[in-house]
Amino acid sequence: QSVLTQPPSVSGTPGQRVTISCSGSKSNIGSNIVNWYQQLPGAAPKLLIFINNQRPSGVPDRFSGSKSGTSASLAISGLQSEDEADYYCAAWDDRMKVGLFGGGTKLTVL
Amino acid sequence: EVQLVESGGGVVQPGGSLRLSCAASGFTFSDYWMSWVRQAPGKGLEWVANLKQDLSEKYYLDSVKGRFTISRDNAKKSLYLQMNSLRAEDTAVYYCARGLDYSNYFDAWGQGTQVTVSS
Repeated sequence: QSVLTQPPSVSGTPGQRVTISCSGSKSNIGSNIVNWYQQLPGAAPKLLIFINNQRPSGVPDRFSGSKSGTSASLAISGLQSEDEADYYCAAWDDRMKVGLFGGGTKLTVL
Repeated sequence: EVQLVESGGGVVQPGGSLRLSCAASGFTFSDYWMSWVRQAPGKGLEWVANLKQDLSEKYYLDSVKGRFTISRDNAKKSLYLQMNSLRAEDTAVYYCARGLDYSNYFDAWGQGTQVTVSS
């Protein structure tokens, strides 16, 4: 069981907006930045959102991140078929001195 | 172009050892923290270890402490992971990742190398 809790799966239809939550605690999300990664089938992970809500160049503005207290969320608007992937939140834990990933959320575009 | 290329994976018996390498190019290797992240078959990502640019700080996942050692050679632009006393649960694809600090902020990843621990 991951310290950072994500829903195992979410789904939506093309054009819809979906959100993926990531719940942690004071020692991780509550104290540090949250980053999000997208992993397409058979590929290495890719940085999608960094420092809570920043997008690397090349990432469409359909992807947005937010953080409040000990939780964070990733929103994807205008859902497209190529968004079908696994999404992971990540944060450092100050108490355990370890890096953490959420368990991952599989996004299905119906 | 930033590139990270892992090597050294393979099949090893329980209790055995492997040394993974990650060759970096396209950026100033000595400016970045470096990490290893793994992914067991059909499972999610798991952070394994990280190492500061000047080797002054390193951190490990509890389950690998005392068995794995992360190291780097800035002159050779390479990151390493020495894995001893390997267990079946260490079976995974191991990724090398570049970070701007100690946090899980990885802006570049390698393609991964498969490690299988099996008798």
